[in-house]
Amino acid sequence: DTAVSQTPKYLVTQMGNDKSIKCEQNLGHDTMYWYKQDSKKFLKIMFSYNNKELIINETVPNRFSPKSPDKAHLNLHINSLELGDSAVYFCASSPLGQGNTEAFFGQGTRLTVV
Amino acid sequence: GNSVTQMEGPVTLSEEAFLTINCTYTATGYPSLFWYVQYPGEGLQLLLKATKADDKGSNKGFEATYRKETTSFHLEKGSVQVSDSAVYFCALKGGGNKLTFGTGTQLKVEL
Repeated sequence: DTAVSQTPKYLVTQMGNDKSIKCEQNLGHDTMYWYKQDSKKFLKIMFSYNNKELIINETVPNRFSPKSPDKAHLNLHINSLELGDSAVYFCASSPLGQGNTEAFFGQGTRLTVV
Repeated sequence: GNSVTQMEGPVTLSEEAFLTINCTYTATGYPSLFWYVQYPGEGLQLLLKATKADDKGSNKGFEATYRKETTSFHLEKGSVQVSDSAVYFCALKGGGNKLTFGTGTQLKVEL
């Protein structure tokens, strides 16, 4: 059973389009995250949700809008895609309020904007 | 704010060589420390962790010790294999449940 699953795994789209990436976790965790990994493998947190409530919103363009319909899902919608949005996007989850627990990551979504 | 600094790669080693990947951190309070590994084309997997000073995390022959006095969490393995080739990330988790990563170190192990 996949703990954190993202769809799609690959996404190729043209500039200016709007796209969504879906994420689901079956671990019962309260906290979910979106991370962006650039071409140099650098990982940067974008958003964090606790029980559907936005907790962390790093400096991310407002073209990126996370949506959490319930605590098991955190989707990422991107409007007006730009070339610089090309990256691998990782969803993750962890138990709430326990700093000593690790985050579990999905397999990533490779977004290519052409 | 919290930050993690790790040695730049790529690191290229021969099979059975000794591995050290340095990691130092800056944080307030008492963070938990982690090493994650990313194999080609895959997501991140937890390799090991340590939650308090002097703890040693270990897994698959890798180990790292939480050194508060030097704010370090260096990753070591006595004898690497070709299958260890991957990108290794040092990370810390402080208050607010936020995981902060280092820049990653690519390891290549050759026969």
